[in-house]
Amino acid sequence: KAGVTQTPRYLIKTRGQQVTLSCSPISGHRSVSWYQQTPGQGLQFLFEYFSETQRNKGNFPGRFSGRQFSNSRSEMNVSTLELGDSALYLCASSLGALADGEQYFGPGTRLTVT
Amino acid sequence: GQQLNQSPQSMFIQEGEDVSMNCTSSSIFNTWLWYKQDPGEGPVLLIALYKAGELTSNGRLTAQFGITRKDSFLNISASIPSDVGIYFCAAGGSQGNLIFGKGTKLSVKP
Repeated sequence: KAGVTQTPRYLIKTRGQQVTLSCSPISGHRSVSWYQQTPGQGLQFLFEYFSETQRNKGNFPGRFSGRQFSNSRSEMNVSTLELGDSALYLCASSLGALADGEQYFGPGTRLTVT
Repeated sequence: GQQLNQSPQSMFIQEGEDVSMNCTSSSIFNTWLWYKQDPGEGPVLLIALYKAGELTSNGRLTAQFGITRKDSFLNISASIPSDVGIYFCAAGGSQGNLIFGKGTKLSVKP
């Protein structure tokens, strides 16, 4: 079974630009979650989508948004990029509810904002 | 808010040594998970625990879900060089969220 895939793997953007990251979950998984990982803050939860609906949301500004398509693929968008948005963005998929565990992560997208 | 205190932050291992790390919280959780992350990769699920008191093994790894539901530990027996990496605990609560510890970085003793 193919794992979680994320594209692109690396991205360099300029302050003020916007970016869209993509995630394809494991086949059959309906929940997709997004995390931001930085050396200082660790893994921080952005949001979770289940059956095209946002089910949980972390404490991030409205510049961070996401959506999920009917085939469970998900995209995350960050508008008006700031230097502090430089991070590894991880997507994880699971069969059922987020808190039930057994999330499987993709390799991440390394975003650098200059 | 809910948070996990993971310790130690970092540790050095010599091949063959046993390793222990743990996660504690003031909140009660229904699920405890342990992940390992290698450089440039996403975290990989090692062990999932679903019941208070549960003890589960995965090869040389053993993890336990604390009786109080507020803590969990992970042991690695007879460590080998490929055990180096960052280990994360994560816990799922009644609010439907999943929270991660800040990680324990395992390195090889120079």
